[in-house]
Amino acid sequence: QSVLTQPPSVSGAPGQRVTISCTGSSSNIGAGYDVHWYQQLPGTAPKLLIYGNSNRPSGVPDRFSGSKSGTSASLAITGLQAEDEADYYCQSYDSSLSGSSVFGTGTKVTVL
Amino acid sequence: EVQLVESGGGLVQPGGSLRLSCAASGFTFSSYSMNWVRQAPGKGLEWVSYISSSSSTIYYADSVKGRFTISRDNAKNSLYLQMNSLRDEDTAVYYCARTSTSTNDAFDIWGQGTMVTVSS
Repeated sequence: QSVLTQPPSVSGAPGQRVTISCTGSSSNIGAGYDVHWYQQLPGTAPKLLIYGNSNRPSGVPDRFSGSKSGTSASLAITGLQAEDEADYYCQSYDSSLSGSSVFGTGTKVTVL
Repeated sequence: EVQLVESGGGLVQPGGSLRLSCAASGFTFSSYSMNWVRQAPGKGLEWVSYISSSSSTIYYADSVKGRFTISRDNAKNSLYLQMNSLRDEDTAVYYCARTSTSTNDAFDIWGQGTMVTVSS
């Protein structure tokens, strides 16, 4: 059972903006640990999308942005495109779990 | 090209053992911490284990503690996961993933995964 909660699904039409929340607690996100986001296209391995709450690795379009506040974080996708249809996961660390990384429950983004 | 390639997956009976390998190339393997992450069929990602660059620090998820052992051989650019006392719930695709300080300890490189099926 994950300690980071995400909505199971979000959807939007092409060109729209969607956001995915990642809700944690005082032992993970609220403790100041960075939040990272991953995109997993169908049948493929996850790919790093956002690191350190709001930074994009080289090659990631600026349509993707991340933010963090308190015990939560968010991923926003603006100008939604068909190729953005995928599963998205947040990830952080939790001080109550002996050095453990923790992943969010995952969110399926559907482009209508 | 920076790359991670897993191998060693397969079908094993409950209570059995399996050893996964992850071959690294295109970067200085000995400078990076590494992880194993798994994904059960149709489910989300679950972090399994972490090992520091020198093997001095190791962590496990509670779900595998006492049954799985992570190790590495920097001379062979390889990461391993020894899995013992396997259970049905260990059935998953297992990914190795690199931790990078340049990305605030995010998992910046992933392998393609290897499937482990535990079934009688």
